[in-house]
Amino acid sequence: DAGVIQSPRHEVTEMGQEVTLRCKPISGHDYLFWYRQTMMRGLELLIYFNNNVPIDDSGMPEDRFSAKMPNASFSTLKIQPSEPRDSAVYFCASSFVVGGASGYTFGSGTRLTVV
Amino acid sequence: EDQVTQSPEALRLQEGESSSLNCSYTVSGLRGLFWYRQDPGKGPEFLFTLYSAGEEKEKERLKATLTKKESFLHITAPKPEDSATYLCAVQETTGNQFYFGTGTSLTVIP
Repeated sequence: DAGVIQSPRHEVTEMGQEVTLRCKPISGHDYLFWYRQTMMRGLELLIYFNNNVPIDDSGMPEDRFSAKMPNASFSTLKIQPSEPRDSAVYFCASSFVVGGASGYTFGSGTRLTVV
Repeated sequence: EDQVTQSPEALRLQEGESSSLNCSYTVSGLRGLFWYRQDPGKGPEFLFTLYSAGEEKEKERLKATLTKKESFLHITAPKPEDSATYLCAVQETTGNQFYFGTGTSLTVIP
């Protein structure tokens, strides 16, 4: 398996523009997670899905952020409009269960810079 | 209130110099404690899950232990390739909350 695949690896955009981050989870994993990582706050859970259904979006910072999972093999995280404080590394992770003996498998992340 | 606190923030070791990283946690009930390794430019890589006080897990030069309030990641005779950021995370029994610490950046000098 190729693991969790995220695209793009790097994104530089101007403030006010729409940004879409993409994730392909590992086949067969029922859970998909979106995290944001910054130096100040570390890894923060934004939202997670179970069987394509959003279960907990309490970590989504505000209405500018939205996430979808139209099918078991694809998810998007959208920021509209983007702001400089959204600059961070965004990770997607997937797993068979929440937590669990095998933990989560993370993608390589998307480094977002909003100027 | 922070649920997970890791210390030290950064650690420099000579090759072969054993040491320990600490992860202190505050949760109402612990479902599991997780250790991850993160290399620059990559996502975290799962290392261990611990479920109950007294439990230990080992992998090569790493050994993770758990008490009711903290976990230690012991590194025995580290090598330069062990250099990375080590992250700790806890999952509560209530709901599915899952909290990461900010990590310990380990540098092993040849």
